[in-house]
Amino acid sequence: GEEVAQTPKHLVRGEGQKAKLYCAPIKGHSYVFWYQQVLKNEFKFLISFQNENVFDETGMPKERFSAKCLPNSPCSLEIQATKLEDSAVYFCASSPGLRRSGEKLFFGSGTQLSVL
Amino acid sequence: KNEVEQSPQNLTAQEGEFITINCSYSVGISALHWLQQHPGGGIVSLFMLSSGKKKHGRLIATINIQEKHSSLHITASHPRDSAVYICAVRFTGTASKLTFGTGTRLQVTL
Repeated sequence: GEEVAQTPKHLVRGEGQKAKLYCAPIKGHSYVFWYQQVLKNEFKFLISFQNENVFDETGMPKERFSAKCLPNSPCSLEIQATKLEDSAVYFCASSPGLRRSGEKLFFGSGTQLSVL
Repeated sequence: KNEVEQSPQNLTAQEGEFITINCSYSVGISALHWLQQHPGGGIVSLFMLSSGKKKHGRLIATINIQEKHSSLHITASHPRDSAVYICAVRFTGTASKLTFGTGTRLQVTL
């Protein structure tokens, strides 16, 4: 598709429940990124993929967070045993590449996760 | 410590004014992005820079690698430019991780 599609738009979970977020990148884009926006202006990088391979997971809290990008499926971000502090907007972005100037990021509209 | 600072935090301008938003970073980078986040939350990537200057419509982005500084300029500002503008950098030696500034909230009034 021509846009990054994220689902669901909103997700409400009780503390301790599992949350799963989905992202379909733009067709032909090799890179997928997940970011967490807590409060209004604090973005945190979580993980990136190059096709179906983990490219950079330096931002990922590994105890409860996991992510996958499998062929012919939307990418997913899963949070086991959610905590209150996981409440945030989770943005997915895709890009055709990293190295060449002009390779901008294309963002999805985000999933608002509320943990109660 | 790898840091990104933006100024100003908030900016109010009248329609037609020339606007400058600044971004400074602490150590060497391989790429710098300017992003626009609309009041509804959607994010648009405006520019990706590694050197020099780029222009798109009324928007101009410049970067000075030696001074570790970038500016985003908006000429002939319009109320529809009202948004949060965010600078994000990929520090040298990091694979893909972006470090974000805290954003500049721009309000353009009639």
